[in-house]
Amino acid sequence: GENVEQHPSTLSVQEGDSAVIKCTYSDSASNYFPWYKQELGKRPQLIIDIRSNVGEKKDQRIAVTLNKTAKHFSLHITETQPEDSAVYFCAARDDKIIFGKGTRLHILP
Amino acid sequence: KAGVTQTPRYLIKTRGQQVTLSCSPISGHRSVSWYQQTPGQGLQFLFEYFSETQRNKGNFPGRFSGRQFSNSRSEMNVSTLELGDSALYLCASSPGGLNEKLFFGSGTQLSVL
Repeated sequence: GENVEQHPSTLSVQEGDSAVIKCTYSDSASNYFPWYKQELGKRPQLIIDIRSNVGEKKDQRIAVTLNKTAKHFSLHITETQPEDSAVYFCAARDDKIIFGKGTRLHILP
Repeated sequence: KAGVTQTPRYLIKTRGQQVTLSCSPISGHRSVSWYQQTPGQGLQFLFEYFSETQRNKGNFPGRFSGRQFSNSRSEMNVSTLELGDSALYLCASSPGGLNEKLFFGSGTQLSVL
């Protein structure tokens, strides 16, 4: 079955710097790759997603890249702000959705 | 439009008991999926329902079961509770397609003593 590996598990960056979170997946049939953000004590919320026919997608300070050949995709957050502090989950979906174990992002003042 | 509603918010049970959790999706959403969230394990997919039929199932034992009603509301049942079942159980709804945004509820925090 599908397996999604996410790295790093914890990431600390200075406010204003960029953050990158990487995920790899095992099932080449996966065709949908969403990213969810979960703030402390709150429910996960979709921040960006990408489909397998697209290599890159950007939404303001957030971008996601997908390399189908290597079976990995990454989340890039530029000009980080305190409100970016949260746990981020990547996921891959073919017939069912499988999440990575999450990355706890700390934005340092 | 009301969001995804899960009840109860908290549950305390003892080993061997069974529990039923409820999820009401966003109006018009026909797909409901369930996840177990524990520290360090992220979000683990339990199962997904669409139009009262289980569309997909994760790798959990048969003690975990669910169903969906004609109004798209869903219930999840865990029988013969074990200590390791302590977790936050989240449900999510979407309009119905496979590759759509999931709207999560606030979850039910289950503690098994």
